[in-house]
Amino acid sequence: EPEVTQTPSHQVTQMGQEVILRCVPISNHLYFYWYRQILGQKVEFLVSFYNNEISEKSEIFDDQFSVERPDGSNFTLKIRSTKLEDSAMYFCASSDPLLGSGEAFFGQGTRLTVV
Amino acid sequence: RKEVEQDPGPFNVPEGATVAFNCTYSNSASQSFFWYRQDCRKEPKLLMSVYSSGNEDGRFTAQLNRASQYISLLIRDSKLSDSATYLCVVNKRTSGTYKYIFGTGTRLKVLA
Repeated sequence: EPEVTQTPSHQVTQMGQEVILRCVPISNHLYFYWYRQILGQKVEFLVSFYNNEISEKSEIFDDQFSVERPDGSNFTLKIRSTKLEDSAMYFCASSDPLLGSGEAFFGQGTRLTVV
Repeated sequence: RKEVEQDPGPFNVPEGATVAFNCTYSNSASQSFFWYRQDCRKEPKLLMSVYSSGNEDGRFTAQLNRASQYISLLIRDSKLSDSATYLCVVNKRTSGTYKYIFGTGTRLKVLA
């Protein structure tokens, strides 16, 4: 079964450092997303990406965040200067709403710990 | 008002019990609806899509009422392995893009 894969599974970084979280979405999907989940809280939308550009972003997705699809397969989330409050689980997802029932498929997540 | 609202629980039920979860959504433009399951520190996984006609998958039944903007999930004959957080997810289309909006999740603990 096709799946979304994310690397690394866990990243520890010092405050102020840049991190790049990587994702390989399902190959025939057209829409890509990043979500985050702070421990014990809900899954929050960060950004959606379609046709090589950002479609929508949330208030959380400020100038410190950026996304890129550098080639045909990878989809990355960069946090330029991490803060303690960026510590969370980051999930990548992909979908094609015209396929099946249009559900989103999620990767296993990257646990980011900012110290 | 939150876009997707769920009772966070926890619901503690004995094995074999029937349990029902409810969810309401605020945006009538929402297009598709799902229940996802999330185990502790894992990714959300699709449990089932929800259709207006109602749909069943084994012990799980999902219902959608568009007029009331209400979604439900019924679990019959609960198993210990059903213990998880159940996430109500609404997919909304805006300006040519799609967005999946999550409720807070309802925690279920099935007790032996």
